[in-house]
Amino acid sequence: NAGVTQTPKFQVLKTGQSMTLQCAQDMNHNSMYWYRQDPGMGLRLIYYSASEGTTDKGEVPNGYNVSRLNKREFSLRLESAAPSQTSVYFCASSKGLAGGNEQFFGPGTRLTVL
Amino acid sequence: RKEVEQDPGPFNVPEGATVAFNCTYSNSASQSFFWYRQDCRKEPKLLMSVYSSGNEDGRFTAQLNRASQYISLLIRDSKLSDSATYLCVVIPIYNFNKFYFGSGTKLNVKP
Repeated sequence: NAGVTQTPKFQVLKTGQSMTLQCAQDMNHNSMYWYRQDPGMGLRLIYYSASEGTTDKGEVPNGYNVSRLNKREFSLRLESAAPSQTSVYFCASSKGLAGGNEQFFGPGTRLTVL
Repeated sequence: RKEVEQDPGPFNVPEGATVAFNCTYSNSASQSFFWYRQDCRKEPKLLMSVYSSGNEDGRFTAQLNRASQYISLLIRDSKLSDSATYLCVVIPIYNFNKFYFGSGTKLNVKP
């Protein structure tokens, strides 16, 4: 039982390049999330998927797109990377039931955009 | 105004000390509250939920004050292994998928 896995762990991009961050969970969770964490800012929600087939914007969606490929996988795409997107990206999942449930996080992807 | 605000610290305390953190939230329509722990360069992990009546888990006590819109975390008999950043989380009643994280309070427990 791996929990939430993310690839890659580290990535360096040049401005304007594109890339996709992959996330998968094996806990049969309904909801999945993408966050970014910057110093002094805490975790900010980029996009989430309440269930397979749905996606919604979070606090900071600009410059990102997501795909909920199936119940297990939720990817985050940067179409044209900018230095402001240098951050640590965390994927998370939860049962997604009303009342709030524990979110389980992946180990994170450290992205640097030059 | 941020949804959730925390004192960033750091709080530097000796082993065995009692330390408390507060976290304030701006949306009175918040329904669920948590404390997460994050070790350096690691992912956040749930420490405990916060219930209206207050709750305790070993050396950790969490409390909620809805009138003043804050939650607190008390750690008794601090251990070296408690050194971490503590994040408070607030979930609004209108969307249980939107977790609002505070920026975290850093705790250093020293021998």
